[in-house]
Amino acid sequence: AQKVTQTQTSISVVEKTTVTMDCVYETRDSSYFLFWYKQTASGEIVFLIRQDSYKKENATVGHYSLNFQKPKSSIGLIITATQIEDSAVYFCAMREGLSSGSWQLIFGSGTQLTVMP
Amino acid sequence: EAAVTQSPRNKVTVTGGNVTLSCRQTNSHNYMYWYRQDTGHGLRLIHYSYGAGNLQIGDVPDGYKATRTTQEDFFLLLELASPSQTSLYFCASSGQNQAPLFGEGTRLSVL
Repeated sequence: AQKVTQTQTSISVVEKTTVTMDCVYETRDSSYFLFWYKQTASGEIVFLIRQDSYKKENATVGHYSLNFQKPKSSIGLIITATQIEDSAVYFCAMREGLSSGSWQLIFGSGTQLTVMP
Repeated sequence: EAAVTQSPRNKVTVTGGNVTLSCRQTNSHNYMYWYRQDTGHGLRLIHYSYGAGNLQIGDVPDGYKATRTTQEDFFLLLELASPSQTSLYFCASSGQNQAPLFGEGTRLSVL
């Protein structure tokens, strides 16, 4: 079965610095899709950024970017110039194809990020 | 604006009770999902659907039924609720190659 692992339970940083959150995955698929979401204190789950495995360039959206290392099955999330409001739980997820022909998202366990003044 | 709306936002019921959680999406998405989120387990897929009338079993389906009555509406049914089903429930929708969008969540307590 496919699997997504986030080993960092929590990270604390000072605002305006850069933080990297790790994620490794296991898959048998030759083509796959990876996503990062954040869950705010209110519980809302927000999509941030995605990486399609066939793309060699790392995705970037605003102050979020990805460090995609395909040989290591790794997809790190980098947040630059962190802000207090970036404090949240960050989830890595991978799209898994299913026998029905559809697909689902497999989630990691999440990393709690705290940004301090 | 793309949206996934869940109702109710909070629900309290008793063991053995009957509960229906509702989800409506206005994104014209084919795929809809029900997840539960528990401390220590992250997000786990209960049921999903890729169109009206279609239902598929997820990873933790026991004790749950689902119905997809239209492309917009996806319901999760707990016919004999148990305390182990106390959780935070999320509905999500997506297109074929899009990142799923999540609803605001429903907090369910089974006493």
